[in-house]
Amino acid sequence: NAGVTQTPKFQVLKTGQSMTLQCAQDMNHEYMSWYRQDPGMGLRLIHYSVGAGITDQGEVPNGYNVSRSTTEDFPLRLLSAAPSQTSVYFCASSYSLRGRGGTDTQYFGPGTRLTVL
Amino acid sequence: SQKIEQNSEALNIQEGKTATLTCNYTNYSPAYLQWYRQDPGRGPVFLLLIRENEKEKRKERLKVTFDTTLKQSLFHITASQPADSATYLCALEGDGSGNTGKLIFGQGTTLQVKP
Repeated sequence: NAGVTQTPKFQVLKTGQSMTLQCAQDMNHEYMSWYRQDPGMGLRLIHYSVGAGITDQGEVPNGYNVSRSTTEDFPLRLLSAAPSQTSVYFCASSYSLRGRGGTDTQYFGPGTRLTVL
Repeated sequence: SQKIEQNSEALNIQEGKTATLTCNYTNYSPAYLQWYRQDPGRGPVFLLLIRENEKEKRKERLKVTFDTTLKQSLFHITASQPADSATYLCALEGDGSGNTGKLIFGQGTTLQVKP
């Protein structure tokens, strides 16, 4: 298994440009999520999905859109990039976070380092 | 909403000693708490999960405790090695129901083990 893959690894955008960060997993995980990581801020949840066709907002959703048309893929769209979106973006997946009996181990991708000028 | 606090200052210890990292949360007790390791330029990697009804969990040189009265988890690495140098993150569910996708993370504590 490839696990969780993310593309691209690095990206530079100009303010106002749009782009899509790709995330795919081959573990048949129901749950997928996007985080951004900034120095001193830790990982902050942007959006998450508990299954195909279902998405919800995390802590910092503004400026980002997501969709989940398949179990495997969970792309993150930046609609109009801003310098404040300069960050490292991580995608993660797990079997399920539903119910208090789950193990919910998160598997992270290698990250995308985004710079917005 | 839930907040997680980890010591933002780096922890420097000598090889062979026990490293102890702290994770405090502010509100409801979560159904579980997780610990991850992150190396520079890489995504976090899962280490251990401890549930609300467990007081202690061990895996090789790692030990995690969970005190719901103190709202605190401690992460111990015994007989530490330079290879243990990394940032360690704690995480827990975001709203207390155990039924959402809102897993939230602390900012992490960087451990440096000196030979």
